[in-house]
Amino acid sequence: TQLLEQSPQFLSIQEGENLTVYCNSSSVFSSLQWYRQEPGEGPVLLVTVVTGGEVKKLKRLTFQFGDARKDSSLHITAAQPGDTGLYLCAGEMGSGNTGKLIFGQGTTLQVKP
Amino acid sequence: EAGVAQSPRYKIIEKRQSVAFWCNPISGHATLYWYQQILGQGPKLLIQFQNNGVVDDSQLPKDRFSAERLKGVDSTLKIQPAKLEDSAVYLCASSLTGVYGEAFFGQGTRLTVV
Repeated sequence: TQLLEQSPQFLSIQEGENLTVYCNSSSVFSSLQWYRQEPGEGPVLLVTVVTGGEVKKLKRLTFQFGDARKDSSLHITAAQPGDTGLYLCAGEMGSGNTGKLIFGQGTTLQVKP
Repeated sequence: EAGVAQSPRYKIIEKRQSVAFWCNPISGHATLYWYQQILGQGPKLLIQFQNNGVVDDSQLPKDRFSAERLKGVDSTLKIQPAKLEDSAVYLCASSLTGVYGEAFFGQGTRLTVV
């Protein structure tokens, strides 16, 4: 059973298009992170959201944490080929000190020039 | 600041052989994770340490996998004997205690079992 469901699993779009990736669960998380991973590398943290309803912006990326802290979304505006990669959401269960970090199955994004 | 170091980067072994992976976390990071990542999927948590104590190893196949973190710093993950389905990337990550889940990952070890 997948604790964190990401959708879509694959996305292929043209440069300049917008996209949204969703991360859903029936569990409540103390925090949620989004990571980006390129081939042959480990995941790199993009953002952490902690408060229900929180919205964070990182240049063309907008991250939202659901009010109930069970879901999150990542929106990319005007996608560029450099955005290509595997996007992973990860939820922290338990306390912030020893929380267990659980990952979704990932969304593979391809942005074509 | 030095990142999480892992070695080796690549390993090819035959089934039923044993293999060990090494991880050196970021200095001062008390929490250390080992994840298994099948190609194109999200990382699956194998074991989590807080200093040198185990916090969670519920998904570690204990009949063949073992891990230790001596002195609360470096860690090793061992597989003995390896199976074909163990082919994956093994990622080590570390984080500061008290900082919400912000894990820093090494480059991983790609294991191929033939």
